[in-house]
Amino acid sequence: SQTIHQWPATLVQPVGSPLSLECTVEGTSNPNLYWYRQAAGRGLQLLFYSVGIGQISSEVPQNLSASRPQDRQFILSSKKLLLSDSGFYLCAWSGWGSGGSYNEQFFGPGTRLTVL
Amino acid sequence: DQQVKQNSPSLSVQEGRISILNCDYTNSMFDYFLWYKKYPAEGPTFLISISSIKDKNEDGRFTVFLNKSAKHLSLHIVPSQPGDSAVYFCAADIIQGAQKLVFGQGTRLTINP
Repeated sequence: SQTIHQWPATLVQPVGSPLSLECTVEGTSNPNLYWYRQAAGRGLQLLFYSVGIGQISSEVPQNLSASRPQDRQFILSSKKLLLSDSGFYLCAWSGWGSGGSYNEQFFGPGTRLTVL
Repeated sequence: DQQVKQNSPSLSVQEGRISILNCDYTNSMFDYFLWYKKYPAEGPTFLISISSIKDKNEDGRFTVFLNKSAKHLSLHIVPSQPGDSAVYFCAADIIQGAQKLVFGQGTRLTINP
């Protein structure tokens, strides 16, 4: 079976500090990978998605970047955090071997980021 | 442009009754629809999906209905249980596209005893 890990679970960072959130998927190969953000009281906003190593598509202009150094590893980064970067960050994967449709996305447990 | 809309931010239902959550979409290219359930501080979990070739899909207490002409889908939960209290998101996709789900804003369902 497939599992998705995210860490850290919670993070409190000062404005202007760097950020690195990591996501890894086990039990599948060549998954599509996604980073979402849920701001307080809001829906899920797609930030980045990747269909393969080194292939990153950005959905909205922002202070963040993403990288995929390995097939099942997805990293969300920032050089200097802003107050508006606070939120709940979710990593997700989709692809074959999920047991369902190729289009279904499966989410990690999330990271609560607070920028002070 | 909000392509997927959940116009009810919250819904309160008595335990044992039916919960009906609604979702509307604007992009006629969408041909696959999903519902997710989310508890606070957790990632969403997949509930049920439906492709545009169907108008109904059932899985236990959960049934999703799709009305393509109205660009509307709904999730029915029968009977509603206290553990169903959560935020529910509908999402839409284009099967032959880039597998990017477009999510609605979510509806907070509260099941009252």
